[in-house]
Amino acid sequence: AQSVAQPEDQVNVAEGNPLTVKCTYSVSGNPYLFWYVQYPNRGLQFLLKYITGDNLVKGSYGFEAEFNKSQTSFHLKKPSALVSDSALYFCAVRGFRQAGTALIFGKGTTLSVSS
Amino acid sequence: DAGVIQSPRHEVTEMGQEVTLRCKPISGHNSLFWYRQTMMRGLELLIYFNNNVPIDDSGMPEDRFSAKMPNASFSTLKIQPSEPRDSAVYFCASSLARWDTQYFGPGTRLTVL
Repeated sequence: AQSVAQPEDQVNVAEGNPLTVKCTYSVSGNPYLFWYVQYPNRGLQFLLKYITGDNLVKGSYGFEAEFNKSQTSFHLKKPSALVSDSALYFCAVRGFRQAGTALIFGKGTTLSVSS
Repeated sequence: DAGVIQSPRHEVTEMGQEVTLRCKPISGHNSLFWYRQTMMRGLELLIYFNNNVPIDDSGMPEDRFSAKMPNASFSTLKIQPSEPRDSAVYFCASSLARWDTQYFGPGTRLTVL
């Protein structure tokens, strides 16, 4: 069965420290992977995606994600966290639903960056 | 580009009333998605359209929910009759292809009393 998992409901990090938000997936074929961010009372915003190529993908706001095929992971990272990075983060993977392909979203991870 | 437009942004209604949510996708996008977000259930895909045709409505909770896309620039999600458990934030998203990057609207916060 295809799925995406975000094992941590919440990640806490101090401002200036590196952050990692974890994502693992299970899907047949080559995975298409995405990260989105949701700020309070806003819609989801696209951060970055991996389709093919370099395993390290760079995205918006200084975020990057590393695709690891052997570990079936696509963790989101940032070298130095900002308080303004505090938000809800969603990982998504292209999957095959009943009637065709669509994105399957994880349950989300709340990132809290303290000053 | 104005992005995905949703209206209304907030809707408060009483149980039993009909609710219609509206969405205008990004021009040129072929796929449109309706999601529901709640604290308990997270982000749920309700239905999606490709080239105005409903492709997968397996996420629609029950017959009280219906969605239409009469043309490439407009879609509606209707709840009739509404119930308190329908209270949630409803998002519309569009993309160039059904598996590609989705761009989300700001959402409609629905409260059913």
